[in-house]
Amino acid sequence: AQSVTQPDIHITVSEGASLELRCNYSYGATPYLFWYVQSPGQGLQLLLKYFSGDTLVQGIKGFEAEFKRSQSSFNLRKPSVHWSDAAEYFCAVGEASGGGADGLTFGKGTHLIIQP
Amino acid sequence: DVKVTQSSRYLVKRTGEKVFLECVQDMDHENMFWYRQDPGLGLRLIYFSYDVKMKEKGDIPEGYSVSREKKERFSLILESASTNQTSMYLCASTGTAYGYTFGSGTRLTVV
Repeated sequence: AQSVTQPDIHITVSEGASLELRCNYSYGATPYLFWYVQSPGQGLQLLLKYFSGDTLVQGIKGFEAEFKRSQSSFNLRKPSVHWSDAAEYFCAVGEASGGGADGLTFGKGTHLIIQP
Repeated sequence: DVKVTQSSRYLVKRTGEKVFLECVQDMDHENMFWYRQDPGLGLRLIYFSYDVKMKEKGDIPEGYSVSREKKERFSLILESASTNQTSMYLCASTGTAYGYTFGSGTRLTVV
């Protein structure tokens, strides 16, 4: 069975500092990997996704993520955070062959706090 | 833009009531999903559907059922609501290539 681990429940970062959110997955086949963001009271918004090809993926809002197959990781990074980045972040994995029809498996989320 | 609309943002129901959560998407997507979101547990898949009148159990289907009579509408049903079903419920849809769109969620409180 596939699983996603986000080791950090909460992370506090100063505004303007760099950010890295960790994500490890367990999956037997070729995974499709995603990062979503959820602002308070809102649904989930897709930040970026990795299907194949270049292992460094660029997303919206200045985020990027790097797929490392040897480490089963897909960490999210941003060089300089803004107060508006405070939110809940979810890593997710899906089966490549299914095209998404079977749903995604999500991590438990990381709550990002931005200090002024 | 694809829109996934959940009919209620907040619901308060009594224990034992039958509860319907409605979700409508406007982009002719084949696949629709219901997730439950709880603090510290992330999102967990309850049920999904890949076609009209088709349904598949997700990871936590107990206590829930679903209905998909029309392609655009996917309903989650709590046959007899219990307090442990107090949660945020998120609906999502996708066509192909993992183009998921999520609704804004329904926060259900069972008292």
